[in-house]
Amino acid sequence: AQSVTQLDSHVSVSEGTPVLLRCNYSSSYSPSLFWYVQHPNKGLQLLLKYTSAATLVKGINGFEAEFKKSETSFHLTKPSAHMSDAAEYFCVVSEPATGAGKSTFGDGTTLTVKP
Amino acid sequence: EAGVTQSPTHLIKTRGQQATLRCSPISGHTSVYWYQQALGLGLQFLLWYDEGEERNRGNFPPRFSGRQFPNYSSELNVNALELEDSALYLCASSFHLRGASTDTQYFGPGTRLTVL
Repeated sequence: AQSVTQLDSHVSVSEGTPVLLRCNYSSSYSPSLFWYVQHPNKGLQLLLKYTSAATLVKGINGFEAEFKKSETSFHLTKPSAHMSDAAEYFCVVSEPATGAGKSTFGDGTTLTVKP
Repeated sequence: EAGVTQSPTHLIKTRGQQATLRCSPISGHTSVYWYQQALGLGLQFLLWYDEGEERNRGNFPPRFSGRQFPNYSSELNVNALELEDSALYLCASSFHLRGASTDTQYFGPGTRLTVL
């Protein structure tokens, strides 16, 4: 069984300050982990993914995430927030394709960026 | 390269009616996934189709059904609509290779279903 917990439902930062969105996971398999972003009334856009290669994953728009197996965490960071980063972010854990083939989404973290 | 497309963008139905939602995957992708995003309930997995077959479904009643066509496009049908079916329905596609590592899913813009 797999699960994912996003530790903060809302995060508010000032423009130009660092962003940290926290995600813990549980998986019976070697997990694949993803971060997606969703702007209002839009679909989900893939930010980055971890699939057992480098533990530090770089994504689009300056975001990155570090896979820490010992802490079962996959936190998303960005050094300097931009107004356009305001959106909802989803952490996702996924079973191998040979398994159930479905993903489990966290409940989402709403990021607010203040000017 | 065209992304995942969904139609219609918005759909308004009344309770008891049937709704049909459509999804076209990225060219070359063989898997299609359906998710429901209802207010306050997050993203819930509905169905996974690959190579024309239903591979897995989430915890939804049988009135949620679908199919995948030979060109890999997919249809989601919701029968006997209830008010709580109002949600954003998201479709995602991926290239599924049996035995490969987990596939990355790419999402469409969604269909907003409103049940009155």
